[in-house]
Parts: sequence; structure tokens; C-alpha cells
Amino acid sequence: DAGVIQSPRHEVTEMGQEVTLRCKPISGHNSLFWYRQTMMRGLELLIYFNNNVPIDDSGMPEDRFSAKMPNASFSTLKIQPSEPRDSAVYFCASSFRQFTGELFFGEGSRLTVL
Amino acid sequence: ELKVEQNPLFLSMQEGKNYTIYCNYSTTSDRLYWYRQDPGKSLESLFVLLSNGAVKQEGRLMASLDTKARLSTLHITAAVHDLSATYFCAVDGVNNAGNMLTFGGGTRLMVKP
Repeated sequence: DAGVIQSPRHEVTEMGQEVTLRCKPISGHNSLFWYRQTMMRGLELLIYFNNNVPIDDSGMPEDRFSAKMPNASFSTLKIQPSEPRDSAVYFCASSFRQFTGELFFGEGSRLTVL
Repeated sequence: ELKVEQNPLFLSMQEGKNYTIYCNYSTTSDRLYWYRQDPGKSLESLFVLLSNGAVKQEGRLMASLDTKARLSTLHITAAVHDLSATYFCAVDGVNNAGNMLTFGGGTRLMVKP
């Protein structure tokens, strides 16, 4: 099992640019989560999907952030335009709700916005 | 809104000592998870606690859940340097559509030789 796969692992961009983060969940999992981690705010849930449908996006900071899950094996988190305060590590995680609900995390995407 | 609080936030301890990390949460839940995170790394699942009174042990770590008290503990026995990491608890704020884990702020553990 390959685990949750995220790309890119590192992204450095300039303010105002569009950033797209990608995630491939574990095959067979039916829930997918995007978290953001910073020193100041800890781990924040941005959005989660159940069976490819967005269930709760109340953690998305503002309209600059959007997330999609077009199929069971792929999700994107897009920031447009990016700002320096978006600099963080973004984690994708997946789970199988009907089992234990345990989250399996990807390695994360470290974003730096200059 | 579900709130999850861990204490202490930072723990420095000597090798060989015992200590307990506490995780309190604000609303009813019977699913609680413990994760470990090494610096610059992802979160690794340690324990899954799915019922009141659940106890899980792995090596020098033991986790327990008291759903009535809304409290979980992570007990460290005879700490070793390799246990140095940040430990998070997470609680399942169950809703009809799926689970949503709320994480505590983390406990940064430093074990000194």
C-alpha cells in the first residue's frame, strides 16, 4: 500500500501566484481531509469530503481557497491568489469511516509564499 | 463546537522517568486517536480508542479513554530519547455525513539522556 500521496512536497512561490496542491488518497478510503499546520495555529481542518462530496468547508480561510475531489482517487487544494500568510504545511489525510475512522496522513506539502 | 485540550503543551523529562499526557474534550464522543509527529515529518497513528474504558499499549506508551469524563491519557513508562516528538490527540466529532477529527494543540515531549 502506497499510502496517501501528496505533491508537490515543497513549493515556493511569489505573492499573487496560483498554487495547486494535489492528493491521492489510499485506495478504498471514502473520506478525504485537508489540514493546514502552522506554529501559530496548530493543525486546522480546512475541508473534508465524504464519497467525493464536500461535507464541511467551514475551515477554508476565505474565497481564495478552493478544493475539489473529481473522483475517489484524486483531490486538489487551490489557492488563488496566494499571500505570505498562507505559508504553512498542508496535509492531506484519508480514512474509511465505516471502519475505525483513523486518519492516514500524507507527507505534506510545505508552501512558502514570498 | 468541539474543543480538544491537551496538557502539558511542553514536557521535558529525564530518561527512565514516567509521565502522563492528558487530553480533555468538550462534547460527547467515543472515538479518540493519538498521533505522533517528528520534526518536519507527517503525523503517524499511534492508538485508536473506540469505546469507554478502552486501553491500548505499544512499547512504553499506553493510552486509555474515559468517555464519561471526556478524558484520554497517554502514559509514558521509563522514557527513552527516541520518544522525543510531538503527540497529538484527536477526537471524532461525529456527524451524520462522516467523521471529522478535531485535534488538540499537541504536547511537545523532549526526553533528555
